[in-house]
Amino acid sequence: EIVMTQSPATLSVSPGERATLSCRASQSVSSNLAWYQQKPGQAPRLLIYGASTRATGIPARFSGSGSGTEFTLTISSLQSEDFAVYYCQQYNNWPRLTFGGGTKVEIK
Amino acid sequence: QVQLQESGPGLVKPSGTLSLTCAVSGGSISSSNWWSWVRQPPGKGLEWIGEIYHSGSTNYNPSLKSRVTISVDKSKNQFSLKLSSVTAADTAVYYCARTEGYCSSTSCWHYFDYWGQGTLVTVSS
Repeated sequence: EIVMTQSPATLSVSPGERATLSCRASQSVSSNLAWYQQKPGQAPRLLIYGASTRATGIPARFSGSGSGTEFTLTISSLQSEDFAVYYCQQYNNWPRLTFGGGTKVEIK
Repeated sequence: QVQLQESGPGLVKPSGTLSLTCAVSGGSISSSNWWSWVRQPPGKGLEWIGEIYHSGSTNYNPSLKSRVTISVDKSKNQFSLKLSSVTAADTAVYYCARTEGYCSSTSCWHYFDYWGQGTLVTVSS
């Protein structure tokens, strides 16, 4: 099983600032990585797939990068609606699809 | 836009079978997509359970495979999850989701683009 490790566990950011979230895979997943946003009491929402392709309707302030084992989700200028938990998911090792433990982005 | 809605009992006794259904609207379950179940224990991360294609083909997380059955009812545009021999560790919010991506003859590359709102299932006597 590929273990996905996200850091930091919690990120404190002021509105308007940039947020950088990391996701590391225990072995290469190529570019087969997705990012999700989850707000309290809601289902996850797909943000990024293919490591860097924004899903339909996702604002341009969200961007993904990386390949292999190291990935980054960047939120260029945090809006109030962006404070949430973010998960990465690898889909290179099917059917052993796995998620990271999440990064909580909170208001500083 | 595709919408998914989970339904089923919110309380299941230990050693019993958890049964949930996901109704799909705004799209056909017979499309080229697979359809998945994902769960999230309270305060914890996400775990993929398994997926089904409208043909009835299934794939399961190896860690749950011995206890999981996913089925599809094309006439009702819905799919279902059964998880047997449940324990308190199976207490979670269960989500159904549309699986996006592609498959070759030997493997698939799947992520999840539409999700249901989730339903909490508690395992307790």
